[in-house]
Parts: sequence; C-alpha cells; structure tokens
Amino acid sequence: DTGVSQDPRHKITKRGQNVTFRCDPISEHNRLYWYRQTLGQGPEFLTYFQNEAQLEKSRLLSDRFSAERPKGSFSTLEIQRTEQGDSAMYLCASSLGDREGQPQHFGDGTRLSIL
Amino acid sequence: GNSVTQMEGPVTLSEEAFLTINCTYTATGYPSLFWYVQYPGEGLQLLLKATKADDKGSNKGFEATYRKETTSFHLEKGSVQVSDSAVYFCALSGSARQLTFGSGTQLTVLP
Repeated sequence: DTGVSQDPRHKITKRGQNVTFRCDPISEHNRLYWYRQTLGQGPEFLTYFQNEAQLEKSRLLSDRFSAERPKGSFSTLEIQRTEQGDSAMYLCASSLGDREGQPQHFGDGTRLSIL
Repeated sequence: GNSVTQMEGPVTLSEEAFLTINCTYTATGYPSLFWYVQYPGEGLQLLLKATKADDKGSNKGFEATYRKETTSFHLEKGSVQVSDSAVYFCALSGSARQLTFGSGTQLTVLP
C-alpha cells in the first residue's frame, strides 16, 4: 500500500493561467474523490469517480474546472483561467468499493497559489 | 443538506489532561461518522469511524460514540500527549458517499 500520491505538492501561477493536478490513488481502489480546502476550513467535496465514470459534481465545480479519470486509475483536475479565489489546497482521496462506512484515504494535497 | 458543526478552537491542554472535542451533525438518513486528524505538515488520516447508532469507534486511545438521539459524535481521550497536537476534523458520509467535514479543531498539548 503506497498511499494516495498527488503531484505537484505546490503550484504557483499567475491569474488567468491554466493548471493541472494529478492524483494516483491506492491501486485497486475504484473510487476517487477531489476536495478543496481553504485555510482554517474543512475540506469541501468537488467531484468523484467510480472507475472512469464521473458520478457527481458539486456546485463548487464551476465551468472552469474539469476532472478526468480516463482509464479508471489516475485522475487529473484542471482549472482554466485561474482566479485569486482558486487559491487553496486540492486534496485527492480514494476508497475501495461502495459499502457504507468505507474510509477514504487522502493524499498530501496540492497547494495552489494564484499571484 | 448534510452539515457538521464542530467545537471551535483552538484548544490548549496540558499533557495528561482529558480531551473532549464536540461534534454534531445534520443529515438525512443514516450517515457514517468519522474523525480525521491532520498532523503538522502531513495529510489527513483516518482516526476512527462508526457506521451505525450506538457504535463506538476507537483508535490510539481516542474514542467517539455515534449518538443518533443527540446527532452527536464527540471525540474523547482520557490522557493527551504532546504528540496528539494536530487539527481534528469530524466528518459524515451520506448516501452518495462523499464526505462532509466540520471546520476542524486545532489541539495543542503542552508538556
């Protein structure tokens, strides 16, 4: 069990630029989640995948955000035309199966800073 | 919709003191409840969980009991250590399985 891996750990970019983050879940985990966490707050749900299918998207996920999980393994989260308000920690989590109470395992996150 | 309300921090205790961090929730149906911990410089880690009413989750000396009548899942530890200093998050998992988190409680334990 190598854990959930996220890349990069930190990203600094200018407002208006596009950024892409990658998440590698624990192998054999079929569910993958994206969350956003701002300073002093708990993580907020953005979207999740079961295998390669994106099953739910939060209203927080504006049109500038897109997520993919093309082969049901790693996932990418892209933010287009970044804005100051996008500055946050972006967390990825994975879990095995759909049983009630199945815990989610989190990566260390990608911290995004918009200049 | 689902929501979680946590005791506001920060909380500062002396080593060996008793810890309680309050957590209450609002949810439809019967959610699963979790406590996650974030140590300085690290990612979120599952501390304990409970999936049905009256279940008690426990780990590393921490305990929490799922109280449906009071919609609560308070975290307790009988004797805290300096190494317990971290941010603690209460969370629930509803029918769609995504987690709804509280705002977190910063705990500092002094030697």
